[in-house]
Amino acid sequence: AQSVTQPDIHITVSEGASLELRCNYSYGATPYLFWYVQSPGQGLQLLLKYFSGDTLVQGIKGFEAEFKRSQSSFNLRKPSVHWSDAAEYFCAVGQTGANNLFFGTGTRLTVIP
Amino acid sequence: NAGVTQTPKFQVLKTGQSMTLQCAQDMNHNSMYWYRQDPGMGLRLIYYSASEGTTDKGEVPNGYNVSRLNKREFSLRLESAAPSQTSVYFCASSEVREPTGRGYTFGSGTRLTVV
Repeated sequence: AQSVTQPDIHITVSEGASLELRCNYSYGATPYLFWYVQSPGQGLQLLLKYFSGDTLVQGIKGFEAEFKRSQSSFNLRKPSVHWSDAAEYFCAVGQTGANNLFFGTGTRLTVIP
Repeated sequence: NAGVTQTPKFQVLKTGQSMTLQCAQDMNHNSMYWYRQDPGMGLRLIYYSASEGTTDKGEVPNGYNVSRLNKREFSLRLESAAPSQTSVYFCASSEVREPTGRGYTFGSGTRLTVV
């Protein structure tokens, strides 16, 4: 069965520091992978997605993610975090023909000045 | 602004009461979804509608019903609310059935408390 694991429940970083949020998936076929961000009291906003091709994907707000098939991972990165990046981040996986995205449990990011 | 609109934003129900959560999208998307979000559990799919006129169960459908009223609207009904249904409910839509294209667009959520 497909699943998504975000091993870090909560991460705290200093403003200006680099960030990496981890995501591992379990899927039988080639997955479609997403990262979403949720600000407090808001819905989820798509940051970036991977379907095929270049395994390094650029998204909005300066985020990028790298698909590593050998490690079943799709980690989200940002070279320099801003205070406005404080939010909850969700990794999700889907598959062609499926009718669902499976979401991880989320990682809450705190940014300290 | 184009997007997914959910109403109400907040609701408190007593156990056994019923209510309908409304969702409408103006992006001409074919597929619509209802998720619930609970602490430590991420988002779980309740029901989805791949296209107008069709609905199917997701991961956690018990205690819920849905109606795809037309292409724009997809409602979620709780017939007899239970405290276990206390959650934040999100409606989402996508252009195509598969998770391709531009991903899902989410509404801002309905925070439901059942007492």
